[in-house]
Amino acid sequence: AQSVSQHNHHVILSEAASLELGCNYSYGGTVNLFWYVQYPGQHLQLLLKYFSGDPLVKGIKGFEAEFIKSKFSFNLRKPSVQWSDTAEYFCAVTGFQKLVFGTGTRLLVSP
Amino acid sequence: DAGVIQSPRHEVTEMGQEVTLRCKPISGHNSLFWYRQTMMRGLELLIYFNNNVPIDDSGMPEDRFSAKMPNASFSTLKIQPSEPRDSAVYFCASTLDWGTDTQYFGPGTRLTVL
Repeated sequence: AQSVSQHNHHVILSEAASLELGCNYSYGGTVNLFWYVQYPGQHLQLLLKYFSGDPLVKGIKGFEAEFIKSKFSFNLRKPSVQWSDTAEYFCAVTGFQKLVFGTGTRLLVSP
Repeated sequence: DAGVIQSPRHEVTEMGQEVTLRCKPISGHNSLFWYRQTMMRGLELLIYFNNNVPIDDSGMPEDRFSAKMPNASFSTLKIQPSEPRDSAVYFCASTLDWGTDTQYFGPGTRLTVL
């Protein structure tokens, strides 16, 4: 069965620190990959997505993610986080006609 | 576009009562999804529809839960009877292409069952 793993459940960083959130999936076929963000008290919003082409994807608010097919990974990165990046981040993968979400990573950025 | 609309935004009810959550997807979107989010279980897909037809309801926890989509612009998720463990935030999302496209989420309904 298709599954998505986010290894870090909670991450605490200081402002200006660099961020990398891991995402691995298990599905051997063609996939589309997403990162969603949920700010406190809000609904999920799309951060970035990969369908095809350049495996390095740029998203909103300075986020980027790299698709490494050989590692079945789609890690999210940001070189310098801000307090306003405090949120929960979800990786999601489509495979067999279904979008599967990871369990989420809660990021707390301290000012 | 107003985005995905959900009502009510908050619902407090007593155990045993019937609860109906409503969702209006983005106009033109073909697929609609219902999710439940809790601290313990995270984000769970309950059911999704394509062109108003339920495609996968394997995530519906029990027979107490039912969902309908009578037309392209409206869906309901009903819990009858409700139980305290049903307390959660219920999100509705819609998309153009059910398998691959970006899902747009509504603001959610926060349900509390006492």
